[in-house]
Amino acid sequence: QLQLQESGPGLVKPSETLSLTCNVSGGSISSSNYYWGWIRQPPGKGLEWIGTIYYSGSTYYNPSLKSRVTISVDTSKNQFSLKLSSVTAADTAVFYCARLLYGVPDYWGQGALVTVSS
Amino acid sequence: QSALTQPASVSGSPGQSITISCTGTSSDVGSYDVVSWYQQHPGKAPKAVISEVNKRPSGVSNRFSGSKSGNTASLTISGLQAEDEADYYCCSYAGNSKLVFGGGTKVTVL
Repeated sequence: QLQLQESGPGLVKPSETLSLTCNVSGGSISSSNYYWGWIRQPPGKGLEWIGTIYYSGSTYYNPSLKSRVTISVDTSKNQFSLKLSSVTAADTAVFYCARLLYGVPDYWGQGALVTVSS
Repeated sequence: QSALTQPASVSGSPGQSITISCTGTSSDVGSYDVVSWYQQHPGKAPKAVISEVNKRPSGVSNRFSGSKSGNTASLTISGLQAEDEADYYCCSYAGNSKLVFGGGTKVTVL
């Protein structure tokens, strides 16, 4: 049974960098069939795609966030990570990691709330 | 890359059928048969109820069905039940490993 689990600080100060890791269990992140992605959801709002990564390290980012986002993968640990720089209160959200099949999510992590506040 | 358009809310009585639309463009919904629908209960992660326009993931009730015509995809829930009350989001592949979500639809069971 595939499981994805987000981890990282729940509170980040404005202008700093948000960092989250998604640990994948029950399946290999190096599978050629899947991509892996990050999606966020501000409180009370809808879902927003942040970016996607392949096990080879190829990355694809939402143009609206591209200048601030870095997604990386560590196949030896079966995990991938998100960094979002220069955060503001508008970046407060639940962040989900997900497995992507044909480019869209099929399995989701439980989500991690990150609050940006001083 | 604009969000897909969904109605803000849809309601129905138990046992009825409802349909949620998801309108995109020829660059996303219209170009790819990769449209998924997700059900999200409060405080929970989204869960796929339809993938690839009209396929039901294992374990999903056959009361959920999907379709697509042109730039618009649709999710139909038949035999509406109280447990179906949730937010529903559509998502489409948009080429070059990009994807786009709809704004979400709140389904209320009257």
